[in-house]
Amino acid sequence: GESVGLHLPTLSVQEGDNSIINCAYSNSASDYFIWYKQESGKGPQFIIDIRSNMDKRQGQRVTVLLNKTVKHLSLQIAATQPGDSAVYFCAETQAGTALIFGKGTTLSVSS
Amino acid sequence: KAGVTQTPRYLIKTRGQQVTLSCSPISGHRSVSWYQQTPGQGLQFLFEYFSETQRNKGNFPGRFSGRQFSNSRSEMNVSTLELGDSALYLCASSPGTGKNTEAFFGQGTRLTVV
Repeated sequence: GESVGLHLPTLSVQEGDNSIINCAYSNSASDYFIWYKQESGKGPQFIIDIRSNMDKRQGQRVTVLLNKTVKHLSLQIAATQPGDSAVYFCAETQAGTALIFGKGTTLSVSS
Repeated sequence: KAGVTQTPRYLIKTRGQQVTLSCSPISGHRSVSWYQQTPGQGLQFLFEYFSETQRNKGNFPGRFSGRQFSNSRSEMNVSTLELGDSALYLCASSPGTGKNTEAFFGQGTRLTVV
């Protein structure tokens, strides 16, 4: 699979590869994090979330890892498919405050 | 369960005009948040309404305003439109109570100011 250590605006992978999208968040007091997927012409779609008392959470083909020490969040997509092509955003929030979004990573999957 | 509905989907307005956008949240959700999305600035928070009261506010000028009705539907208004207001305006719905919960987004309203 392909991974990036720092945030990159684009990530290109082959169908079937594992993808890792990284995100650095800004507020050490943030206690809730969400990954969204946004396809062209659509609003962001919820993928998976994680609370700060966890460091890993798994969904269907997706895993989110949280490293609070370095304020880093990652989204792992297993067996990436062409339908996974989209822009992925991480978002952070602290109880009672608004979501703060990262810059987004465009994932392109070629078959 | 119906999702978040935003109307209209597309709008073209002239500089100096005003515009009103509408958002109907998921049934039972009491919190509605508005975001502006542009290629240069990404997704930026405008404001959040909960039970007809503005609960949080982002860093936007007073030309941007909103309100929420008793049925939780929300509207946002932008007065004296500027070219830089061209953006995708997104509405997010969440229950609004309890510790952080996921927010669901609508399709957005694409506003073009000419």
